[in-house]
Amino acid sequence: DGGITQSPKYLFRKEGQNVTLSCEQNLNHDAMYWYRQDPGQGLRLIYYSQIVNDFQKGDIAEGYSVSREKKESFPLTVTSAQKNPTAFYLCASSIGWSLHFGNGTRLTVT
Amino acid sequence: GNSVTQMEGPVTLSEEAFLTINCTYTATGYPSLFWYVQYPGEGLQLLLKATKADDKGSNKGFEATYRKETTSFHLEKGSVQVSDSAVYFCALDRDDKIIFGKGTRLHILP
Repeated sequence: DGGITQSPKYLFRKEGQNVTLSCEQNLNHDAMYWYRQDPGQGLRLIYYSQIVNDFQKGDIAEGYSVSREKKESFPLTVTSAQKNPTAFYLCASSIGWSLHFGNGTRLTVT
Repeated sequence: GNSVTQMEGPVTLSEEAFLTINCTYTATGYPSLFWYVQYPGEGLQLLLKATKADDKGSNKGFEATYRKETTSFHLEKGSVQVSDSAVYFCALDRDDKIIFGKGTRLHILP
């Protein structure tokens, strides 16, 4: 079955540590996205990539970094510079009008 | 700029009640409009879409009509079920980005 895999489902880190969230898709989609979901805030776009080796900042890119070395993979690194990293992170890919989401990673930083 | 505003939740209804979740948008030009649904513990799924004025999107008993004159895309269902309990997101597609509303949590009582 084609889909988007985010791992792990739950992730715990100490403050000051960088952490990388995995996102893999086997849908052969060119475009991939990272969103952050906070209660009452809805989804906010962190980074997106329309094609391999290219990506753009979204609305809240500060404190995050990404890479797109392969079409299938779009990992997100939450750096120690991100002031409020505890959140639910959703990865997505798209083709045409349809956006496909993974099941998300809940990151807790203490 | 482009934005989406949807009614705040939570919305609590009894089974078989009529549902309306309001959504209005601000955008330049003619965006495509979407409703996404997030069931508990899952990622987002596309529920329905409309790509031009007066289009009606429909799926699983839900409907929404693209009203350019009122810049609205309200979600409706004639008779809700307990299984419709979820968070619903209105979204627009513009300039190669998808912009979401904050989400409306729907709770259906048996």
